[in-house]
Amino acid sequence: QLQLQESGPGLVKPSETLSLTCSVSGGSMISDNYYWGWIRQPPGKGLEWIGSIYYTGTTYYKSSLKSRVTISVDTSNNHFSLHVNSVTAADTAMYYCAKLHSFFWTDYWGQGILVTVSA
Amino acid sequence: QSALTQPPSASGSPGQSVTISCTGTSSDVGGYNLVSWYQHHPGKAPKLMIYDVTKRPSGVPDRFSGSKSGNTASLTVSGLQAEDEADYYCGSYGGSNNFVFGTGTRVTVL
Repeated sequence: QLQLQESGPGLVKPSETLSLTCSVSGGSMISDNYYWGWIRQPPGKGLEWIGSIYYTGTTYYKSSLKSRVTISVDTSNNHFSLHVNSVTAADTAMYYCAKLHSFFWTDYWGQGILVTVSA
Repeated sequence: QSALTQPPSASGSPGQSVTISCTGTSSDVGGYNLVSWYQHHPGKAPKLMIYDVTKRPSGVPDRFSGSKSGNTASLTVSGLQAEDEADYYCGSYGGSNNFVFGTGTRVTVL
């Protein structure tokens, strides 16, 4: 059974970079149908797709976040990462990593990690 | 890419049915048969309930069903049970390698 686990700092200062890692266990990250993504949920709000990456490293980002977001993958160590620069309070959210099937739906999710942007 | 529109809340008594709508545009919901639905209990990871508009992953009860008409997709939960009380989100491929979620609906079992 595939398992995903987010890790990283729970507190980030405004204007700095938020960096999270998702460790994947129980299976390979490499498959024609496997995409890996990040999704967030600000307090009291809905889910927001941030972006996804194919195991080859091809990335896809939500247009409004594209200028600040970088997603990378390390298949040899079974993890992928999220970097969001120049963060503000609006980036405070529960961040989930997930596996997407053929990009079109998300079938495995991590438990989530709360990241607060505050001085 | 704007969020898909869902009603903020829906409710029903045990055993009844509840239907949640998810309205998008011809660029997302209406343009592809790639709508998915997720159940989210607070504090837990969201769970895939429906994909490709109507398909259920293994292990999801057949009380959950999906449909679509034009730019609006729907999730119906039949025979409501206490454990169905949760937030539900729709999602859709939005074209051009984009994905969009709905605004979310809180389902309450009365």
